[in-house]
Amino acid sequence: GEDVEQSLFLSVREGDSSVINCTYTDSSSTYLYWYKQEPGAGLQLLTYIFSNMDMKQDQRLTVLLNKKDKHLSLRIADTQTGDSAIYFCAERKAAGNKLTFGGGTRVLVKP
Amino acid sequence: GAVVSQHPSWVICKSGTSVKIECRSLDFQATTMFWYRQFPKQSLMLMATSNEGSKATYEQGVEKDKFLINHASLTLSTLTVTSAHPEDSSFYICSAGGDGYHLFFGEGSRLTVL
Repeated sequence: GEDVEQSLFLSVREGDSSVINCTYTDSSSTYLYWYKQEPGAGLQLLTYIFSNMDMKQDQRLTVLLNKKDKHLSLRIADTQTGDSAIYFCAERKAAGNKLTFGGGTRVLVKP
Repeated sequence: GAVVSQHPSWVICKSGTSVKIECRSLDFQATTMFWYRQFPKQSLMLMATSNEGSKATYEQGVEKDKFLINHASLTLSTLTVTSAHPEDSSFYICSAGGDGYHLFFGEGSRLTVL
């Protein structure tokens, strides 16, 4: 199976909170990342969390990490239409700089 | 954050020709760069790891003679798609990491082979 899994699609109303979930399999992961990709563009690093942390908040973004269940989530507060994009979670293993990406979650924000 | 730039953003070429894509780290030195390929509505697939001053490390199933990678300086890696065919059409994205822990991505290069 895939090392990193995400749900495919999320629809949310403008102003509501969005929660994107991700599961991974490698318990030796050091950092976990969330990237945003808009149509035809590269990946923008949104936030990251070190594996010994449970939570990280950065303005509208909150990352929760449950290391026991190998579950990562990204919460976007007060979701805006500009948040419509594909969101990728990625894990970085203990050795090297390689990232393993999830399949991406397409978030559609409706006005 | 650090800036990684790719050029060209998009390119159209004829089948059988070669195309070079550049990846530059603009405000930091990158000892390692990574090349990814992304098919429509899919995730990123790591193609190879580019190491400054040494040969690239290719992932399983990626043809090294097809996708030539050169990392001649600490700020530039190039990917050359040789004898391109329509099935090579894709979105190619590079990322760069220096001594830090976090990777930053270029804007991507869309290749269309006719």
